[in-house]
Amino acid sequence: NAGVTQTPKFQVLKTGQSMTLQCAQDMNHEYMSWYRQDPGMGLRLIHYSVGAGITDQGEVPNGYNVSRSTTEDFPLRLLSAAPSQTSVYFCASHLGTGYPGELFFGEGSRLTVL
Amino acid sequence: ILNVEQSPQSLHVQEGDSTNFTCSFPSSNFYALHWYRWETAKSPEALFVMTLNGDEKKKGRISATLNTKEGYSYLYIKGSQPEDSATYLCAFTSGTYKYIFGTGTRLKVLA
Repeated sequence: NAGVTQTPKFQVLKTGQSMTLQCAQDMNHEYMSWYRQDPGMGLRLIHYSVGAGITDQGEVPNGYNVSRSTTEDFPLRLLSAAPSQTSVYFCASHLGTGYPGELFFGEGSRLTVL
Repeated sequence: ILNVEQSPQSLHVQEGDSTNFTCSFPSSNFYALHWYRWETAKSPEALFVMTLNGDEKKKGRISATLNTKEGYSYLYIKGSQPEDSATYLCAFTSGTYKYIFGTGTRLKVLA
């Protein structure tokens, strides 16, 4: 069971570079989301999607773009990385709207921006 | 801005001790309260999803209660074991789209 798969696990960028964090799930979940984890803070929602073609902003969306062209994939793009985006990023999914069920998390991607 | 607070931030207990943590959340527009267990170098895994006031859930030695009217949930661990060492997160949602996480309670069980 693959579940939620994130790549890469580690990445170092220079300020101004761009990159994409990949997230894929094989559970046919409608809902997918991206969080960032910073020391002393709870997981904070960046963007989420409730289905292919539908995305919306979370609590901390600035500096990040997302798209959802398929049910399975939900990539997170950093167009011009900044040191403030140094963080651990988690992708999470659940079955879909109308269902209060648990989130399934990927293993995380640790990003360092120099 | 909705806030979810967890206490204590961290605690150390001896093997065999029972312990409990608190999660406080907004008492209005409640939809669900989640508890997750997060072991070091792994990803968070769900323990409980609670939706009804007065809900009590149990999984082995771990149980949780929910009071939506006053906005709190307790997580209890009976007879703590070293393998219970982890960070325990709670998350509040007023719908199925946005989850607000607390900063977690870091538990260390000493053998």
